[in-house]
Amino acid sequence: DVKVTQSSRYLVKRTGEKVFLECVQDMDHENMFWYRQDPGLGLRLIYFSYDVKMKEKGDIPEGYSVSREKKERFSLILESASTNQTSMYLCASSLLPAPITGLVNPYNEQFFGPGTRLTVL
Amino acid sequence: AQTVTQSQPEMSVQEAETVTLSCTYDTSESDYYLFWYKQPPSRQMILVIRQEAYKQQNATENRFSVNFQKAAKSFSLKISDSQLGDAAMYFCALDYYGGATNKLIFGTGTLLAVQP
Repeated sequence: DVKVTQSSRYLVKRTGEKVFLECVQDMDHENMFWYRQDPGLGLRLIYFSYDVKMKEKGDIPEGYSVSREKKERFSLILESASTNQTSMYLCASSLLPAPITGLVNPYNEQFFGPGTRLTVL
Repeated sequence: AQTVTQSQPEMSVQEAETVTLSCTYDTSESDYYLFWYKQPPSRQMILVIRQEAYKQQNATENRFSVNFQKAAKSFSLKISDSQLGDAAMYFCALDYYGGATNKLIFGTGTLLAVQP
């Protein structure tokens, strides 16, 4: 079974602190994702990575950065935490690399971690 | 741009009854997948069912089935014989190929309560 783990279930930080959220997957997946989940807004993509050291912005990257130095680990960084970053953060991974242009989009399921509930005071 | 809309923030069903959760979406892609995810209080996202856009036949998984209306861009989830363990937040999601890899766009969720 695919396992995606996140370093903390609950985290409390102070405004201005630098925060690291860690995600590890054990199935040699190519792609990893960070989402934040807020009531009434669903899940929104912050950043994703399709290879080691490769990353792309999602829909709401402002205030966040990411790091992927090893294939199995994807970190979300809040350089200076703010109260509006209080949220649930979900990590996910998927297996397949980017499809070759022109081919049918293959099914590429995302597997999710258990989430980190971050509170910024 | 891709969008997913769930217009029912909360739903309630009696145990053993049937409930339908609604979802509409918009995409200019011709090749995509649609999913329903379940998120129980444990917060673990669980894939319930998926539908390939090129398939006309509606997907089914045991007590879960979908009504996929491609022209109307509608994708509803029917849960038959509802059980207490079905109580959860349900998210509709659109999977499309967006540049480097597949991406998911989620709806805002429907919180389902199951009454004994």
